[in-house]
Amino acid sequence: EVQLVESGGGLVQPGQSLRLSCAASGFTFSTYEMSWVRQAPGKGLEWVSYITNNTTTIYYADSVKGRFTISRDNAKNSLFLQMNSLRVEDTAVYYCARGTTGSYAFDIWGQGTVVIVSS
Amino acid sequence: SYDLTQPLSVSVALGQTASITCGGNNIGRKNVHWYQQKPGQAPVLVIYRDNNRPSGIPERFSGSNSGNTATLTISRAQAGDEADYYCQVWASRTWLDSRIWVFGGGTKLTVL
Repeated sequence: EVQLVESGGGLVQPGQSLRLSCAASGFTFSTYEMSWVRQAPGKGLEWVSYITNNTTTIYYADSVKGRFTISRDNAKNSLFLQMNSLRVEDTAVYYCARGTTGSYAFDIWGQGTVVIVSS
Repeated sequence: SYDLTQPLSVSVALGQTASITCGGNNIGRKNVHWYQQKPGQAPVLVIYRDNNRPSGIPERFSGSNSGNTATLTISRAQAGDEADYYCQVWASRTWLDSRIWVFGGGTKLTVL
């Protein structure tokens, strides 16, 4: 079964850091582009970051650029999001999502991990 | 940046056809994807590249895209189709040598 499972969410204070992980299974992780997408409480979807299969290209949303770092370990079938200098407005469910080749859609999503930034 | 505009809500009678629009500047030149999200669940891709259905998505779901509007059409609407629906495109920011992935604000579909 193709599956993505996120972990690492939690409650942190503004200015602190958190590292999210996404474990992939059921497909050849090393051949797929991946992204992180978040959803604030009661709000819509917001793309956060993208990474190519071989890490050669990385993009960030303006709202997180300079604070978040995406990375992956193909040997461990894992995707990561290092989040520094967290803000209240970063509070959201964070999803990892698999990219479709060539069309830039997201065909597989994890169940999400909750990040709450509050003092 | 590139903005996508969706109606906040759409209602449809059981068994009838629902249309959810997604507006964007010359969106007809882009590949549009649609996601269904039910409460407490992750989004599910229902249409990709304007009018293609992933495996497992019923034929009742279809899409079109032209000019400044893309449309998701759900025929013979069922109670189980009640959900939030999001359109999505990617946009190139050549002046920044970057790309962004953009979602519409989402439309809540109610089946009456």
